[in-house]
Amino acid sequence: AQSVAQPEDQVNVAEGNPLTVKCTYSVSGNPYLFWYVQYPNRGLQFLLKYITGDNLVKGSYGFEAEFNKSQTSFHLKKPSALVSDSALYFCAVRPPNTGGFKTIFGAGTRLFVKA
Amino acid sequence: DSGVTQTPKHLITATGQRVTLRCSPRSGDLSVYWYQQSLDQGLQFLIQYYNGEERAKGNILERFSAQQFPDLHSELNLSSLELGDSALYFCASSVELAGDTQYFGPGTRLTVL
Repeated sequence: AQSVAQPEDQVNVAEGNPLTVKCTYSVSGNPYLFWYVQYPNRGLQFLLKYITGDNLVKGSYGFEAEFNKSQTSFHLKKPSALVSDSALYFCAVRPPNTGGFKTIFGAGTRLFVKA
Repeated sequence: DSGVTQTPKHLITATGQRVTLRCSPRSGDLSVYWYQQSLDQGLQFLIQYYNGEERAKGNILERFSAQQFPDLHSELNLSSLELGDSALYFCASSVELAGDTQYFGPGTRLTVL
């Protein structure tokens, strides 16, 4: 079965430190990969996506993600965390060639950045 | 602001009732998606419409239905409501049928008492 895993419910990091939010997936073929962020009482906002090409993708707010095909992972990273980065982060996978499509979202990882 | 609007913001109703949630996609977007977000189930894809036609179905209950109108706005109808239907319901839109980036609305918080 196709799935997306975010193995950490919560990630705590100090402001100024690098952060990583992990995502692995189990989807056949070459899926599209996404990260979205959700701030309290708001809808999800697109951060970045990987379709093809360079394995390191740069996105909004200084975030980047590294695609690793052999490990089927798409970890979200930021070199220096800000308190304002505290939010809920979702990894998402869009299986290829599905006709219509059903994006699969991970369960989400809550990021806490402490001042 | 994503450009996707949803009404109402909050809805409180009783078990057994029926409600309608409304979504207006971004200008130019033809695809509309509905998602349910609850604490125990996470974000669940419900259904997708493209240019008025249903194109993909996820974990949508038979008590739920949706449609997309000629002006591309969409409505999600929830009937015979149960306590477990209490959740945040999000609409998202994208330009294409198999669009990549989805733009999410602010959501409708449904509380069933």
